[in-house]
Amino acid sequence: ELKVEQNPLFLSMQEGKNYTIYCNYSTTSDRLYWYRQDPGKSLESLFVLLSNGAVKQEGRLMASLDTKARLSTLHITAAVHDLSATYFCAPPRGGKLTFGQGTILTVHP
Amino acid sequence: DTAVSQTPKYLVTQMGNDKSIKCEQNLGHDTMYWYKQDSKKFLKIMFSYNNKELIINETVPNRFSPKSPDKAHLNLHINSLELGDSAVYFCASSPRLAGVGGANVLTFGAGSRLTVL
Repeated sequence: ELKVEQNPLFLSMQEGKNYTIYCNYSTTSDRLYWYRQDPGKSLESLFVLLSNGAVKQEGRLMASLDTKARLSTLHITAAVHDLSATYFCAPPRGGKLTFGQGTILTVHP
Repeated sequence: DTAVSQTPKYLVTQMGNDKSIKCEQNLGHDTMYWYKQDSKKFLKIMFSYNNKELIINETVPNRFSPKSPDKAHLNLHINSLELGDSAVYFCASSPRLAGVGGANVLTFGAGSRLTVL
C-alpha cells in the first residue's frame, strides 16, 4: 500500500521568509501532484510533475520531483499572507491519487 | 459554469437516516471519484468510476453505495448514517484514470459537508 508523508505538518512562517515542504512516498510513482486547499474550500491543482527531475514554478512556489528518492519538494520563496493554506502532495497509483496528510501553512507579518 | 458541481453543499441529519449526495461534471471526463475528508483534513479515496464502471471500491462500509447513471454523474447514497460518517465528501473527475497518460489532473467539486447528530 502506498504511504505518503509530508513534513512538516504545520508551518508558521514570517512574511518574506523561505521554506520547503517535503513529500515522501513509499512506492514507485513516475509523477506527483500538488494541491492547495483554503479553509472550507475545495482543492485546487497547483503543479503536475510528470517525470524524474521535473521542476515547475508558479509565482513564489516551486515544486520538484525525484522519483528515485521518492521525494517531492514544494519550496516557498519570500512568503506572503496569501499563501496561507493547506498544501497536499499526491502521487497516483492504482488509478487513484493517494494524498499526504497535508501541511497547514500560516504566513504572518 | 461550474466544472464539478455537488449538491447539497451542507447536510445535517440524524443518526439512522439515509441521505444522498449528487455530483455532476461538465468537463467531458471519463473518470469520477468520491473522496472523504475527515476533521483532521485527511483525504481518503472511497470509490472511482471509469466510463460508468466501478473501478475502485476501497474499504468502505457497505452502507455507502455509489451510482453512476452516465459518465457525467456520480451519486453517493448512504444508509443508516452514523456519527462517524460526519465529514466533507468531495467529488472529483479526471480525463482518464489517475496516473494514466499526460497531466490528467483531478478537478474537485466544492465538497458536501455532512453532519450526523
